[in-house]
Amino acid sequence: DQQVKQNSPSLSVQEGRISILNCDYTNSMFDYFLWYKKYPAEGPTFLISISSIKDKNEDGRFTVFLNKSAKHLSLHIVPSQPGDSAVYFCAASANPGGTSYGKLTFGQGTILTVHP
Amino acid sequence: NAGVTQTPKFQVLKTGQSMTLQCAQDMNHNSMYWYRQDPGMGLRLIYYSASEGTTDKGEVPNGYNVSRLNKREFSLRLESAAPSQTSVYFCASSERGNEQFFGPGTRLTVL
Repeated sequence: DQQVKQNSPSLSVQEGRISILNCDYTNSMFDYFLWYKKYPAEGPTFLISISSIKDKNEDGRFTVFLNKSAKHLSLHIVPSQPGDSAVYFCAASANPGGTSYGKLTFGQGTILTVHP
Repeated sequence: NAGVTQTPKFQVLKTGQSMTLQCAQDMNHNSMYWYRQDPGMGLRLIYYSASEGTTDKGEVPNGYNVSRLNKREFSLRLESAAPSQTSVYFCASSERGNEQFFGPGTRLTVL
């Protein structure tokens, strides 16, 4: 039972354009969402996060949007750069009473390729 | 400041052999985690340690054991390796629970 899904295995974008990566979840208890970026032969690195009390969080070129009613989040990268080429994972956690201790559920990942 | 380090980087085992994957962090984080990454599956939590002296099962704990040796170190042991445990293993740590810092990974092949 995949509680966090990234239905697009790959995405190809031209440099300077917008990249939109999507993620859907099924567990209504999830209240915190994160995006991680992973280069080959390296561990994932934290990119941006959003709490369920917000619907948007922005950090430089990266913006995450959360639509709770649709159980959907997306990551927008504007403008896209060749160095953004990587695998992007969305992740979610449920934290009832602050006891989750960061137990994350990850999506399958989306390979982003930004062409010069 | 090395962050999260993992040893070894690569390992090949035969079915039935045992081994321990080592993880250490120098960020004074309370919580540490072990994940495995398989193609098309994302990362799945094996075990975690909310704080020194405690460990708990994650999503896929069968076939593994862990030890939180001290605040810095969290090891993962395979007592009798199976081909289904062929994977890339990542250790992570965090202070605030959600924003986790990952090590570079250990690529394990079980023949």
